[in-house]
Amino acid sequence: AQSVAQPEDQVNVAEGNPLTVKCTYSVSGNPYLFWYVQYPNRGLQFLLKYITGDNLVKGSYGFEAEFNKSQTSFHLKKPSALVSDSALYFCAVRDKTGKLIFGQGTTLQVKP
Amino acid sequence: EAGVAQSPRYKIIEKRQSVAFWCNPISGHATLYWYQQILGQGPKLLIQFQNNGVVDDSQLPKDRFSAERLKGVDSTLKIQPAKLEDSAVYLCASSLEDYPRDEQFFGPGTRLTVL
Repeated sequence: AQSVAQPEDQVNVAEGNPLTVKCTYSVSGNPYLFWYVQYPNRGLQFLLKYITGDNLVKGSYGFEAEFNKSQTSFHLKKPSALVSDSALYFCAVRDKTGKLIFGQGTTLQVKP
Repeated sequence: EAGVAQSPRYKIIEKRQSVAFWCNPISGHATLYWYQQILGQGPKLLIQFQNNGVVDDSQLPKDRFSAERLKGVDSTLKIQPAKLEDSAVYLCASSLEDYPRDEQFFGPGTRLTVL
């Protein structure tokens, strides 16, 4: 069965430093991978997705993600973190059946 | 364009009572989803509609939960009777179609507290 793992409950980074939020997946067939961000008391906002093609995907707010098929990973990255990036981040995978499976989420805390 | 609308934003009820949530998807989006997000977990799909037909309700507790999408636009999710473990945020999402590549757009959610 397909699944998504986000191994870190929380990631702490100083403002201006690069950040990485990790995600690994398990799915049969070609994966469709997504990152969403959730701010307090708000719904999920779409950041970026990998469907096919270039392994480095660029998305909203300066975020990017690297798809690594051999390691079954799809880590979210940003070269320089902002305090306003502090939020809850979800990785999700969708296979041919269409259901979107979410990880448990990683809280990103960016300190000034 | 307007986003996905949900109401109410917050609801507090006692166990065994009933409750209903409403969702209005983005205009023109054929696919509508209801998710349950328990604190500390990722959203879990409850039901998916394609226009006004059900595509997937395999994770919907059908003894107490029901949902409908009349006329293929707005949708309501009902819980009757509610249990303590139903306390969660209920998220509605929509997408243009049901292709795997389509991202889903989420509403702000309804936070349900069952006492």
